[in-house]
Amino acid sequence: GAVVSQHPSWVICKSGTSVKIECRSLDFQATTMFWYRQFPKQSLMLMATSNEGSKATYEQGVEKDKFLINHASLTLSTLTVTSAHPEDSSFYICSADPLYNEQFFGPGTRLTVL
Amino acid sequence: GENVEQHPSTLSVQEGDSAVIKCTYSDSASNYFPWYKQELGKRPQLIIDIRSNVGEKKDQRIAVTLNKTAKHFSLHITETQPEDSAVYFCAASRGYGNKLVFGAGTILRVKS
Repeated sequence: GAVVSQHPSWVICKSGTSVKIECRSLDFQATTMFWYRQFPKQSLMLMATSNEGSKATYEQGVEKDKFLINHASLTLSTLTVTSAHPEDSSFYICSADPLYNEQFFGPGTRLTVL
Repeated sequence: GENVEQHPSTLSVQEGDSAVIKCTYSDSASNYFPWYKQELGKRPQLIIDIRSNVGEKKDQRIAVTLNKTAKHFSLHITETQPEDSAVYFCAASRGYGNKLVFGAGTILRVKS
């Protein structure tokens, strides 16, 4: 089956620093990737839709200047959390859509901001 | 936009019994309805999905039914086992290339 990787799997950073999370589709090309955030005991909430070669589409209430998304190739999308604060601590999960099948999820990145 | 409601939020069953989780959606253009199982700290795992051109789909102990007129779909797990204990999410989408909107989740506990 299709494989999606994320890196890092976990990260701890100080408040005010920036953190970059990578999402890669390893054996297929993904024009579209999605970024979700999941707080403890809650559901997955879509943050943004990442489209290769164009600007990301952000969901209502998600600050595009704080959560920078770059989808520079058909196999890589990155999410940068700028000036991270403790309230940004969460589980970030990406998914990649091969357009011929269901979305495939990455393993997630646990972000802890101190 | 799409809104997906999921019930119940928690469900406890005895091993061997059946479990049913129900979801409703609001967007009539949605045509893809997956169900995911998520264990703590891990990615959602697709367990079954259904598209709007069918009303029911079954895979061993798991089945999903879809009522497009009423805009609701359900997950049925028969002969539950302790390893079925997890959080289950329903989702709805307009299909390939479109975002998934998730329900709030159901914590399923199977007691042995």
